[in-house]
Amino acid sequence: KNQVEQSPQSLIILEGKNCTLQCNYTVSPFSNLRWYKQDTGRGPVSLTIMTFSENTKSNGRYTATLDADTKQSSLHITASQLSDSASYICVVSRFYSGGGADGLTFGKGTHLIIQP
Amino acid sequence: DGGITQSPKYLFRKEGQNVTLSCEQNLNHDAMYWYRQDPGQGLRLIYYSQIVNDFQKGDIAEGYSVSREKKESFPLTVTSAQKNPTAFYLCASTPKVHGDRGTEAFFGQGTRLTVV
Repeated sequence: KNQVEQSPQSLIILEGKNCTLQCNYTVSPFSNLRWYKQDTGRGPVSLTIMTFSENTKSNGRYTATLDADTKQSSLHITASQLSDSASYICVVSRFYSGGGADGLTFGKGTHLIIQP
Repeated sequence: DGGITQSPKYLFRKEGQNVTLSCEQNLNHDAMYWYRQDPGQGLRLIYYSQIVNDFQKGDIAEGYSVSREKKESFPLTVTSAQKNPTAFYLCASTPKVHGDRGTEAFFGQGTRLTVV
């Protein structure tokens, strides 16, 4: 069964600190993995995409890693800001010739709170 | 600006009533999707459509109906048969992409439906 597990469920850190969010998946055959940021009451917005051959990708203070052998990904946030408070959702795409989102498996997200 | 527009942002419904949520996109995407999001849960697929005049049930289609008469529009009707309709509803679209690059789902800002 295709599944995406994220940890921790929620996390509270002080402004300026770093944190790492985890994503483990069992989706097969694997196509790519995306991290989305979802602000409260808003739609998710893509942060990074990683394909099978990519190990690390950065987007500003966000750095995603992927280990396709162990089927694990992490999202590292550096020097956190109050605006980083949001849910972070890991989404794994199954290789699917149709290209539709019916091939997407969503994690439940990590709820991150940055305290001043 | 290209994007996905959902309306209304907040919707209140009396028990026994049908309500329709609007989703419009001007991204020229072929595929459109409806997800439901509950607190502490991942996104769950309700319906999706990969071409005009065609749509498929997702994981939790019972109590919902859709239509796809135009490429730009994919309205969702929450019927009185849906036993627990209070939730946050997200519409998404994807371009028709083939190959292992996979797809990025672009999301609307969501509609929060409350049954009173």
